[in-house]
Amino acid sequence: GAGVSQTPSNKVTEKGKYVELRCDPISGHTALYWYRQSLGQGPEFLIYFQGTGAADDSGLPNDRFFAVRPEGSVSTLKIQRTERGDSAVYLCASSRTGAAEAFFGQGTRLTVV
Amino acid sequence: DAKTTQPTSMDCAEGRAANLPCNHSTISGNEYVYWYRQIHSQGPQYIIHGLKNNETNEMASLIITEDRKSSTLILPHATLRDTAVYYCIVRVAKGFQKLVFGTGTRLLVSP
Repeated sequence: GAGVSQTPSNKVTEKGKYVELRCDPISGHTALYWYRQSLGQGPEFLIYFQGTGAADDSGLPNDRFFAVRPEGSVSTLKIQRTERGDSAVYLCASSRTGAAEAFFGQGTRLTVV
Repeated sequence: DAKTTQPTSMDCAEGRAANLPCNHSTISGNEYVYWYRQIHSQGPQYIIHGLKNNETNEMASLIITEDRKSSTLILPHATLRDTAVYYCIVRVAKGFQKLVFGTGTRLLVSP
């Protein structure tokens, strides 16, 4: 596909469980970003990758959140010991390095029950 | 990054111009103004950006005041599909790094 792909589109998990959210960026985009969005709020920055390395992870709320991008393409956001407050839409975006425009995926709606 | 202020919501009639204001009175000389929008249940979509000159593309026009303390996004002929939340963001550098989204302006275009 031509756009940023996120899977799954919806995820329901029980409190305390571990979840992984996947992002397939646009081919050739070296920059990749994770955001999360709670109802009625704007997207909140989590982490930014340049290639395989995390260039800015200042938005990760605590050490239960971790993200990887081992080959500089697909990225996985991992959440341990999920809490009800983690319920949100998790958005991924990618861009060419230095480009003004970033392309967002449709997001993964995570619900922790 | 400088903080922005936008109205919470606006209405516009279909076919009319939608003018969305944004105040960014603390903007620095090297900060750009970006606009993104988010249609319901979709990820944000880039619209336009500028530094100090007015900009136009196929989606919209961006008018930045001479003192750069405010700007206006103009959708010249709004359609129902333009109903969305519009975010005005200011940030240093041209590349895409940490965009700080506020709560935006919810634009409702009606028939």
